[in-house]
This record gives sequence, C-alpha cells and structure tokens, in this order.
Amino acid sequence: EDKVVQSPLSLVVHEGDTVTLNCSYEVTNFRSLLWYKQEKKAPTFLFMLTSSGIEKKSGRLSSILDKKELFSILNITATQTGDSAIYLCAVGGNTPLVFGKGTRLSVIA
Amino acid sequence: KAGVTQTPRYLIKTRGQQVTLSCSPISGHRSVSWYQQTPGQGLQFLFEYFSETQRNKGNFPGRFSGRQFSNSRSEMNVSTLELGDSALYLCASSLYPMGRSNLNEKLFFGSGTQLSVL
Repeated sequence: EDKVVQSPLSLVVHEGDTVTLNCSYEVTNFRSLLWYKQEKKAPTFLFMLTSSGIEKKSGRLSSILDKKELFSILNITATQTGDSAIYLCAVGGNTPLVFGKGTRLSVIA
Repeated sequence: KAGVTQTPRYLIKTRGQQVTLSCSPISGHRSVSWYQQTPGQGLQFLFEYFSETQRNKGNFPGRFSGRQFSNSRSEMNVSTLELGDSALYLCASSLYPMGRSNLNEKLFFGSGTQLSVL
C-alpha cells in the first residue's frame, strides 16, 4: 500500500528562523512528489519534483528530492508569520496522489 | 480565469440524512478528484472522474458516490450520514486524468465544503 509520512506533525518557530519539513514515501512506480501549502481551506501548489538531487526554489522556499532514500525536504528560510500553514506532501505512483497528514507550522512574532 | 468552485461552503446535517456537494473545475479542466480531509487522517482520496467516467475510487463505503456531467462539473453524494463523515471535502481539477504523466499531477484545489454531522 502506498504511504507518505510527514514529520514533524507540528512545529512552532519564531520569525526569522529556518525550518526543514520532511516527507518520506513508499509508492509503486514513483512519478512525482508535490508540496502544497494550506492556509485556510484550499491547498495551493508550491513545487513538483520528479528528479533526484535537483533543488526547486521560489523565494525563501526550496525543496529537494532524494529518490534513492525515498524522501524530500521543504526548507523555509527567514520565516514570516504569513508562512503559518499546513504543508502537505503528496506523491504520485500507480494510484492517484497520496497525501501525507501534513505538518502544521506556526510562526510567532 | 476562475478557480475551482465548490458549493456550499458549509453544511450542517444530522445522522441518517444525505448530502450532495458540488464542484465546478477550472475552465478547460476535464479531470475532477474528490478528497476527504480530517485532522486525524489527513487528505484521503475518494474518487476521480474524467469525461463523465469514474477512473479511480478510494477505499470508502458505497454510501459515498459521485458523478460528472458533460460540462465537467462534478457532484458527490453521501447517503445515510454518520458522525464520522464530518470533514472538509475538497475537490481538485486538472487538465488530464491523474497518472498519465508527471505533468498531470498538479491538482488545483477548491476551498472545500465543511460538513458537520450532528
């Protein structure tokens, strides 16, 4: 059975800190790994990774995939209160996207 | 370009009732997927429709059903509601069916319908 595990489940940091969110997976016929940010209701797309070792960056956010070790990390540098959200990791394999339970990030001023 | 629209935003029902939720995908998107989100289980896949055909179904009881119309709009129905059905129901659309290629994995989500069963 395909499985996606995110850690930690929740995290509280101060503004300006750097955070690393983890996502490990076991899926058959891996195709892609996606990160989403969910602030209120609608998850919004952040990154899609398909190749190992290639970092995707968008401003203060970056992500990298390790297909050998079956995990990905999402880094957020110089965190701001607006980064407070649930971060979801999803993996595409033989089945439709399988989501992890998410990491709830709280950034306090 | 309008995003994915879900109605209603909130719904309160009692046990035993049934409910219908609606989803209008982004214009031009023909694939619609439904997910149930609860604090304990995260997002769990319900079903996916493409061109009015159900392509995939998650591990949910038969009380959960759906359909897709010729204009790609989709509805899902839950009959004989149980307390455990209380959740945020999210709809997502994409251009093509999931799993055809890496490019099709990018789902665009609606804001969801928050269902409370009392």
